[in-house]
Amino acid sequence: TQLLEQSPQFLSIQEGENLTVYCNSSSVFSSLQWYRQEPGEGPVLLVTVVTGGEVKKLKRLTFQFGDARKDSSLHITAAQPGDTGLYLCAGKYAGGTSYGKLTFGQGTILTVHP
Amino acid sequence: DAGVIQSPRHEVTEMGQEVTLRCKPISGHDYLFWYRQTMMRGLELLIYFNNNVPIDDSGMPEDRFSAKMPNASFSTLKIQPSEPRDSAVYFCASSSGLAGLGTQYFGPGTRLLVL
Repeated sequence: TQLLEQSPQFLSIQEGENLTVYCNSSSVFSSLQWYRQEPGEGPVLLVTVVTGGEVKKLKRLTFQFGDARKDSSLHITAAQPGDTGLYLCAGKYAGGTSYGKLTFGQGTILTVHP
Repeated sequence: DAGVIQSPRHEVTEMGQEVTLRCKPISGHDYLFWYRQTMMRGLELLIYFNNNVPIDDSGMPEDRFSAKMPNASFSTLKIQPSEPRDSAVYFCASSSGLAGLGTQYFGPGTRLLVL
């Protein structure tokens, strides 16, 4: 069974603080995605990374893919209350026979207090 | 584009009843996914289709669950008979692109409560 471990599970911080969420696996990903989900809605894609060592930035969000493509991180600078939500990583494993199938991490519930 | 449409948004039923969840994917997308989300297990893939054909149903919990995609614009997920442990939010998502690597667009979900 391929597992995606996401940490921390919960994060409660004050506005203006920085934070990092981690996503780890013992298996190699062919690609990895980060999603954000708000209450009562479905997840929305933030970014897709496919190359080991790749770094992508989306305003105050920085996404990094590990060199070995087994791990990824999401860093938020100067968090704002609007960043509050559930953050999910999802990976497609290299060598998989089920094309298009994503495995999701358990998610990180982020709360940013004003 | 209206996005992925799911109905109903909320469903409350009694144990033993049949439940049918519906999904209309984004027009032109050739992949359709059904997920279940709970606090305990997170977001789990149940089944997905490519060009209306089921590709991987290994996530379907048991025979009480069935899914169909009779055409490119409609899919159903049926639970018969339903049990309290089936209570969850069920999401449908669709995507397009080579080998399903395209962005998955999720619907708003159906919140199911089985009493």
